[in-house]
Amino acid sequence: EAGVVQSPRYKIIEKKQPVAFWCNPISGHNTLYWYRQNLGQGPELLIRYENEEAVDDSQLPKDRFSAERLKGVDSTLKIQPAELGDSAVYLCASSFRANQETQYFGPGTRLLVL
Amino acid sequence: GQSLEQPSEVTAVEGAIVQINCTYQTSGFYGLSWYQQHDGGAPTFLSYNGLDGLEETGRFSSFLSRSDSYGYLLLQELQMKDSASYFCAVRGSYQLTFGKGTKLSVIP
Repeated sequence: EAGVVQSPRYKIIEKKQPVAFWCNPISGHNTLYWYRQNLGQGPELLIRYENEEAVDDSQLPKDRFSAERLKGVDSTLKIQPAELGDSAVYLCASSFRANQETQYFGPGTRLLVL
Repeated sequence: GQSLEQPSEVTAVEGAIVQINCTYQTSGFYGLSWYQQHDGGAPTFLSYNGLDGLEETGRFSSFLSRSDSYGYLLLQELQMKDSASYFCAVRGSYQLTFGKGTKLSVIP
């Protein structure tokens, strides 16, 4: 069974530029999560999807961040415009259902904003 | 809100046993999870405690005491490949809140 796939793995951009991250969850997993992990910290939830619906986006900085999960499968997280403080690893995770004990993480996209 | 405390770094010798503690303050607690993350890698699930007591999975065990808001991860027969960061995470009704992680270094 394929795991959670993310691309790109690395991205370097200048501040004020836009950037997008893509995630393909494990087949059949209805719940998809986007996390941000700063250096030396644990992952912090940005947004949670149940199928195509964003059911928890309370931690998403909506002035510059947006996300979508068309057809309830793949998801894209976008930042526009990027700021220096956005440099982090952006992790995607999925689970079969929202209250499942285990979340399966992708390898993440490491973003550096210069 | 939720907060978790765990040691930032631990060093142990290959073949030894190490315990990583985690204390938490939270509302809406459903259980405590543990994840392992190698440098540059994805967090991977190790263990979950929904009830008080000890859960054992091979060389890894995890313990929870709800009354003390405390848990730990026990790693036995340490191997060099166990060098990684270990995160405790509180499971709420629909999400995980992670601690800052403990960086474990296994030395020969």
